This record gives sequence, C-alpha cells and structure tokens, in this order.
Amino acid sequence: YVLTQPPSVSVAPGKPATITCGGTNIEGKSVHWYQQQPGQAPVLVIFYDNVRPSGIPERFSGSNSGNTATLTISRVEVGDEADYYCQVWDSSTDPPRVFGGGTKLTVL
Amino acid sequence: VQLVQSGAEVKKPGASVKVSCKSSGYTFSSYGVSWVRQAPGQRPEWMGWTSPYNGDTTYAQKFQGRVTMTTDTSTSTAYMELRDLRSDDTAVYYCAREPESSSPYFDYWGQGTLVTVSS
Repeated sequence: YVLTQPPSVSVAPGKPATITCGGTNIEGKSVHWYQQQPGQAPVLVIFYDNVRPSGIPERFSGSNSGNTATLTISRVEVGDEADYYCQVWDSSTDPPRVFGGGTKLTVL
Repeated sequence: VQLVQSGAEVKKPGASVKVSCKSSGYTFSSYGVSWVRQAPGQRPEWMGWTSPYNGDTTYAQKFQGRVTMTTDTSTSTAYMELRDLRSDDTAVYYCAREPESSSPYFDYWGQGTLVTVSS
C-alpha cells in the first residue's frame, strides 16, 4: 500500500499549514501522523485520523476523506519545523505497517 | 513512559548486531514492541513486532530469516538481532511501543541506535 506525501510545505509563522497523505481509498483506514525533529525520534501527534495524544497542542488536527488524509497545524510556530510522516496499517500488504515518504515543513 | 536503547554500533559486512530497548513507566507485557529503522534521508521502515505477553512475533517479509526479536519480561527489555549485515543496513534503529489496536500505531519511541555497516 503506497502513501504519497508532498516533499515540502512552507508556511509563515502564525499561518495554517496543511500536509496531505494520499492513498487509494485511504478513508477506509485509520491514519496516524508523526513529527520528527532533526536527529530525534518520531513523536506521535495524531492517531486514528484525528485524535491527539496527551501533550500535543490543540493546534494539531487531522482529517481523512476519500483518497486523502490531512494533517493541519493552525497558527504554525517556529518549533513546528520538522518532518511529518503519515502511517497506516494494511493487513493485505507486506509490510502491513506503512509510512508515507514524509513532508518537510519549513517555517518561513 | 521511557524506552532507552543501547548505544551506537559499527559492524563489518556479514556480522550480526543486537540492539536492546529497556522500557519503564508502564506494564511491559501489556503493549507490543515494534522495531522501525530509518536509513539516512529515508522514510521509517517497519521491521517487525513482538509481544512481551506471549512472545509472538511478526516480521516484515524483507527481514524474514535475518532478524530475531525477543523480550525479557524480568528486565522489561526488548531485543532485536539482525544478522548477515550489509552496507544498506546502515540506519538508525528504533524500538517503539505499540498499543493493542485494530490499526496499529506507535505511541512512544526509543531514542534510536545508529548501526553503521562498513568494511
């Protein structure tokens, strides 16, 4: 199962950022999102399409419809600059846990 | 919750590496442990999963026959051994906690272990 993300997204501080994750009928799957700062381990920021783990700011939200899942960061901050990866589980493929190619969010 | 991994390794082609991941702050046997690797500049790649509860394992086909994942419940430690190392196995290897779920995800990660394979 292939997940497609734009390589890069740029946004000014205080503006919203949207990062997409495309996949065939992805709305039928649960999508999880991770933030990875340079040299750090990934951090879960959204699971089950739109659930925020404790400690993740309300600025982070997610949605999933049709062939595209979306991570939205409202009011982007400099500290949000990172790579973002989407991930799904697909029992019919190997490996069943699949990551997207990642999107580099640059805060201008 | 913390997952603390062993230190960086440098190995020659054909050798084996064993990475440890010591968990704390939660009931070790109540969550699965997945291993995910990430080559430089690449996306994360899932390698496999193990259950500390009963020792069950599932490996990605790509690593079948070369990887073994185990757990020691007495020390809350998970291990990943990769054999017959090649240069393209050079990557950061992460352990990650996996809650029981109909759609698996990784809610806590170790800090990563850099494995360098070079002659």
